[in-house]
Amino acid sequence: KAGVTQTPRYLIKTRGQQVTLSCSPISGHRSVSWYQQTPGQGLQFLFEYFSETQRNKGNFPGRFSGRQFSNSRSEMNVSTLELGDSALYLCASSLDWGDYGYTFGSGTRLTVV
Amino acid sequence: AQSVTQLGSHVSVSEGALVLLRCNYSSSVPPYLFWYVQYPNQGLQLLLKYTSAATLVKGINGFEAEFKKSETSFHLTKPSAHMSDAAEYFCAVIPKGGSQGNLIFGKGTKLSVKP
Repeated sequence: KAGVTQTPRYLIKTRGQQVTLSCSPISGHRSVSWYQQTPGQGLQFLFEYFSETQRNKGNFPGRFSGRQFSNSRSEMNVSTLELGDSALYLCASSLDWGDYGYTFGSGTRLTVV
Repeated sequence: AQSVTQLGSHVSVSEGALVLLRCNYSSSVPPYLFWYVQYPNQGLQLLLKYTSAATLVKGINGFEAEFKKSETSFHLTKPSAHMSDAAEYFCAVIPKGGSQGNLIFGKGTKLSVKP
């Protein structure tokens, strides 16, 4: 069974640009969540999608957005990149929330210069 | 708001020694509880989870955790450390009964294993 696939693994962008990250969940999983990991703030929740609807959102500015497609694949977009957006972005999938827990991808390492 | 506290940002043990990583949660209603491990340049791997069944939960790679409601704790243990256990460990919760289904993480504990 394939795991959670995130592409690309590494990205270097310039301040002010925008970026799109992709996440393919485990087959059959309908919930996809995104997390940002930085040395200073740790792991922070960005948003969660379930059946193409954003069900839950963390405390991030509107520059961070996402969407989910009918095949459960998800993308997140960050516009007007800032140096502080440099982070490891992790995607996680689950059957649903609650006691199922989440399976994580290997992440996309974004560096903003 | 729910929070998770991991005591000790760095823990160092000798190979073969007991591993004990501490985690406390803040809510009066016990949440769902998880331990994840992260190796360098990797995502998070689920070690084990507590979902209101047995209080002693066995996970992968010889790890286990015990849920203690009276202490609001979910400490992770392994009887004998291996060099391959060196990684960062995260305790996480999902509150029960609310509208928020996301994981809330502790700050993490880096485990070093000395030969």
